[in-house]
Amino acid sequence: AQSVTQLGSHVSVSEGALVLLRCNYSSSVPPYLFWYVQYPNQGLQLLLKYTSAATLVKGINGFEAEFKKSETSFHLTKPSAHMSDAAEYFCAVSDRNTGTASKLTFGTGTRLQVTL
Amino acid sequence: KAGVTQTPRYLIKTRGQQVTLSCSPISGHRSVSWYQQTPGQGLQFLFEYFSETQRNKGNFPGRFSGRQFSNSRSEMNVSTLELGDSALYLCASSLGWQGSYEQYFGPGTRLTVT
Repeated sequence: AQSVTQLGSHVSVSEGALVLLRCNYSSSVPPYLFWYVQYPNQGLQLLLKYTSAATLVKGINGFEAEFKKSETSFHLTKPSAHMSDAAEYFCAVSDRNTGTASKLTFGTGTRLQVTL
Repeated sequence: KAGVTQTPRYLIKTRGQQVTLSCSPISGHRSVSWYQQTPGQGLQFLFEYFSETQRNKGNFPGRFSGRQFSNSRSEMNVSTLELGDSALYLCASSLGWQGSYEQYFGPGTRLTVT
């Protein structure tokens, strides 16, 4: 079964500082990988996805993530944090089987706090 | 394109009652998935419908059921509500075929069971 681990339930950074949110997956075959963001009282917004093309994936709002097979990781980064980035971030995984690729398994989430 | 819409946004029900939640996917999307989000269990997959057929199912009791209509709109039903069913229920849609599995989520329905 697929699983994903997000290290750090809370991360605090200063505005303008680097954002690094960690995600490791458990799968013998590289899965599809996603990062979502959730603002209070809202649904999930897709930030970026890795399917099998370039290992460095660029997403919306200046975020990017790098797929590293050797480390089974898909960490999310942003060079310079903005106050509006404060939210909860979820890493998710699904397998590549056509019949089950729509079944997402989520990590426990990381709440990002951005301070002045 | 309009996004995924869910109705109602908020619901308050009593234990033992049943509830039906509705989801309208993005136009052209044939796959609709449902997730439950709670503080204790996080985000958990309930089930997925594709072309009116349940294609995947999570580990939830039979009280949770769903269906999909020919226009891809989906409903989920929870019977005999329990206090533990209080949660944010999220619907997501996708094209659902090879190479196009990214899911787009609606705003959710907040269900409170008293």
